[in-house]
Amino acid sequence: NAGVTQTPKFQVLKTGQSMTLQCAQDMNHEYMSWYRQDPGMGLRLIHYSVGAGITDQGEVPNGYNVSRSTTEDFPLRLLSAAPSQTSVYFCASSEGPNEKLFFGSGTQLSVL
Amino acid sequence: RKEVEQDPGPFNVPEGATVAFNCTYSNSASQSFFWYRQDCRKEPKLLMSVYSSGNEDGRFTAQLNRASQYISLLIRDSKLSDSATYLCVVGRSPGGYQKVTFGTGTKLQVIP
Repeated sequence: NAGVTQTPKFQVLKTGQSMTLQCAQDMNHEYMSWYRQDPGMGLRLIHYSVGAGITDQGEVPNGYNVSRSTTEDFPLRLLSAAPSQTSVYFCASSEGPNEKLFFGSGTQLSVL
Repeated sequence: RKEVEQDPGPFNVPEGATVAFNCTYSNSASQSFFWYRQDCRKEPKLLMSVYSSGNEDGRFTAQLNRASQYISLLIRDSKLSDSATYLCVVGRSPGGYQKVTFGTGTKLQVIP
């Protein structure tokens, strides 16, 4: 049982480039989410999904897009990378609202 | 005032010591409470949920004080392996998945 699989682990982008962070879970969880973690700040919610075909914005959604075509996958797209998006990104899933979160291993993203 | 506040530490304690962390939350409508553990450069992992009656898991005890709006984590007989950052997580309303808020974490270093 792999849990939450997140790729890549590391990525360096130039300003203006686009990319997709991949996230997949094999626990049949309805709820999936993306967080970013910056020094001195708690994890902040970017986007979340309560099921296939349903997504919504979190606390810091600007500059990011998501889609949820299947229960398993929840990719995060950076449309035009900016240095302010340099951060560690975590994907998470849970059985329901306010339930235990299972996290992927994270992506260290640097935007130059 | 931040929604969830933690003392960032670091707490440097000798092996075998007892250490306690507090976490305060500002929204009285908060309904769910958790402690997560995060090792350096790793993903957060659930340590324990916090219930109204308090709960214990081995050397770890979590308590909730709704009147004063704080939760606590007590670690007895500290081990070197307990060295990590402990994240307080608060769900602000039932069913409000997007309203889960992370504290910035308290760093614990257990010294031989």
